[in-house]
This record gives sequence, C-alpha cells and structure tokens, in this order.
Amino acid sequence: QQQVKQSPQSLIVQKGGISIINCAYENTAFDYFPWYQQFPGKGPALLIAIRPDVSEKKEGRFTISFNKSAKQFSLHIMDSQPGDSATYFCAAWPAWGGADGLTFGKGTHLIIHP
Amino acid sequence: GAGVSQSPRYKVAKRGQDVALRCDPISGHVSLFWYQQALGQGPEFLTYFQNEAQLDKSGLPSDRFFAERPEGSVSTLKIQRTQQEDSAVYLCASSFRTPRGTEAFFGQGTRLTVV
Repeated sequence: QQQVKQSPQSLIVQKGGISIINCAYENTAFDYFPWYQQFPGKGPALLIAIRPDVSEKKEGRFTISFNKSAKQFSLHIMDSQPGDSATYFCAAWPAWGGADGLTFGKGTHLIIHP
Repeated sequence: GAGVSQSPRYKVAKRGQDVALRCDPISGHVSLFWYQQALGQGPEFLTYFQNEAQLDKSGLPSDRFFAERPEGSVSTLKIQRTQQEDSAVYLCASSFRTPRGTEAFFGQGTRLTVV
C-alpha cells in the first residue's frame, strides 16, 4: 500500500514559470512533511519541510502549501530555473507508530526548459 | 567528514555472492538509516539505528539482509546470497537527534548491480 501518492510523474516547465508538484497521504499520524531534491548520481537533499500546524511555508523560491483536512501538500517552485531540473520527492514521517524511517512518494522528474 | 560518506560507490556482484556496504555518518549523529532505492522509484526504508542499537528493522526485505553499527558510528549493510532483485541504490542517512521529524542527511549511495 502506497502511503504517499505523488503526482505528476514528470513535469516540463519553461524557464521563469511555476513548477507545482502534489502529494496526498492517508495516515493521519504523519506530522512531518519534507521535500527532497535529487540529482542523478547523488543522494536526496532536503529542500524544505513543514508540520501540519501551519498551512504554508516559504523559503526563497520554494513554497510548501499544506491542506490538513484534505491530507494533501504541494511544492511550488517560483521562477523555475534550468538548475532546478532534478527529481523531487515528497515524504512523510509519523509522530507515532509505523516504521522509524521516512515514507517517500515515487518522485517527480522535473525538466526546466531554458 | 562534512557529509555522509558511503563506499563503495558502485558494486557488481555475481548472483549468490555476499556483499558489504559501508556508511560513515556525520560525526556526532545519533540516528542512522538505511534505504533502498530501485531505479525510478523513491527510497524505501530498511532499518534504523540509534547509536549502536538497531531499533527498527521492519523494512529489511528478507533474512539475507543484515545491518550493524557496533560502535555507534560506522554502519555496514550486508546482503548474503545476492539475488537480481537486490539490484538498487542503497542510501544511508544520518541525523543529529532521534528520528522523527528531524532533518536527515543522505549519502550519495552505493549502486549495487547483481548479475
């Protein structure tokens, strides 16, 4: 059972545009939601994370929007740049129960066209 | 070192061979995790250590997988009698505190190919 569903699988955006990646979850015990960026041949690197007590968090060009009632969260990349081309993973961690590791989505392959 | 270091970066094993993958976490990090990432997929949790104690091994796919962290720093993931379905990138991550809701830093991974 996939606990974190991520979409789209791939995304092409023009330089300067807004990239939007969505995730949905079912486990109400999840209380920490990070986004990771991964370049080919590298390990995932934390971009930004949110907890469900806030609806939005912004760091530079990256914003997480969180909808607790819908159990959905999304990553917005403003003014997308070619250097943002990478695979993005949403993830979740429960406050209690379940495994002690992150549950990841399947990833979104983002391409920014110059 | 400045980050999580994994070795080797690449490993080719013949089916049935045993392999050992090493992880050097960031100095002082209490928590250490192993994940398996199949091609085109997200990482999947394998096991978790708090210092030298293996507190969660619920993600290990079979009893052929074994992990240890005897002195609470370096960790080794061992796979016995490798099978083709074991081919994946094995990622190690560490974090400063106990696991839930803290930033985890990942290494570059070991790409295992079983032929």
